Amino acid sequence: SYGLTQPPSVSVSPGQTASITCSGDKLGDKNACWYQKKPGQSPVLVIYQASKRPSGIPERFSGSDSGNTATLTISGTQAMDEADYYCQAWDSSTAEVVFGGGTKLTVL
Amino acid sequence: QVQLVESGGGVVQPGRSLRLSCAASGFTFSNYGMHWVRQAPGKGLEWVAVIWYDGSNKYYADSVKGRFTISRDNFRNTLYLQMNSLRAEDTAVYYCATVRGGSGWRNDYWGQGTLVTVSS
Repeated sequence: SYGLTQPPSVSVSPGQTASITCSGDKLGDKNACWYQKKPGQSPVLVIYQASKRPSGIPERFSGSDSGNTATLTISGTQAMDEADYYCQAWDSSTAEVVFGGGTKLTVL
Repeated sequence: QVQLVESGGGVVQPGRSLRLSCAASGFTFSNYGMHWVRQAPGKGLEWVAVIWYDGSNKYYADSVKGRFTISRDNFRNTLYLQMNSLRAEDTAVYYCATVRGGSGWRNDYWGQGTLVTVSS
């Protein structure tokens, strides 16, 4: 079955740039999305189609992809960005999805 | 504004059944596919099932196939998840989410979640 691999944790200092990667076979063809998940809250879409940012999401969130790897970049990271981040891949013919295991972003 | 409100969660014994609902408002429900996604305590997000906008197609994660059934009522703007033969490992917060395609597949709206606890 299809799988996505994320690093379990990433640490960043306030104001610096955080990068979180997501790897999967031919991920570039699978409409990669990124979600922010804070404890007790619902997931929030921060990036879709690898690099598009929904309205209302700060410009410091950006995404890119290259072949088998998608990357979420947070520039000028703020304390409020501390959360778990999940990548997601889509089977566009059925709308089935797979989530990565999640990455805990710590801002310290 | 878009609202998704899940209900129906609770404590249930292993082997029993439970039906979750997701009431949608603020958008044309019948135009959107819908997902159920869950998160077990201390674990990551896990996709559970999808139903197309008109209910014509449904797909399930292997972990729930044959036990869970996703359905929808486009007149009542409500999504359902019938969960049978529940197991301890089904304990999770269950979220419904809109499926948007076209200019980039994504789950752009999520409910607040409903907690299902399977325990004797």
